[in-house]
Amino acid sequence: GAVVSQHPSRVICKSGTSVKIECRSLDFQATTMFWYRQFPKQSLMLMATSNEGSKATYEQGVEKDKFLINHASLTLSTLTVTSAHPEDSSFYICSARPLRGEINEQFFGPGTRLTVL
Amino acid sequence: AQTVTQSQPEMSVQEAETVTLSCTYDTSESDYYLFWYKQPPSRQMILVIRQEAYKQQNATENRFSVNFQKAAKSFSLKISDSQLGDAAMYFCAYRSAYNNNDMRFGAGTRLTVKP
Repeated sequence: GAVVSQHPSRVICKSGTSVKIECRSLDFQATTMFWYRQFPKQSLMLMATSNEGSKATYEQGVEKDKFLINHASLTLSTLTVTSAHPEDSSFYICSARPLRGEINEQFFGPGTRLTVL
Repeated sequence: AQTVTQSQPEMSVQEAETVTLSCTYDTSESDYYLFWYKQPPSRQMILVIRQEAYKQQNATENRFSVNFQKAAKSFSLKISDSQLGDAAMYFCAYRSAYNNNDMRFGAGTRLTVKP
């Protein structure tokens, strides 16, 4: 089946530093990748949608300069949290839609837990 | 904008019994997709079942089935013969057929399975 990986699975950083999270589709090419944020005991909130080779589309209220998204290839998207602060601590989940397949398919990564001290 | 409502923050079921999780949604669109995702303690989102709005027949996947009531905008999930491994957070989700990049999730229902 389609597998999406995320790296790292867990990261702890100091306030003010930047953190990069990678999302990879391991056995398929993804036209579109999605980044979600999930606070404890809450639902997934879409942050942004990225298409390979083009700029990401951010949801309302998500700062594009703070959450930098790069979708450089059909199998890799990265999310960089710049100048992280404690309020950025959360669980970040990526999701990928295959280039080929049913258009409503979307596969999720295992998530990355970010803790900012 | 479309919204998804799960009115049951927590549910519990005895092992081998049946449980139904509720989901309602609000939309003015005629064509869309509905999903149930399971998020176990590992936090990995797993697709349980999906339903195309244009299909009248309720989707089933082994022990999982849905009751899709389009007019009532209701999409409940029934888990039969509950197993300990079914314990997880369950999220109902809506995706427009006109904007495939827009998937909306409900707040989730935490299901506990008692042995």
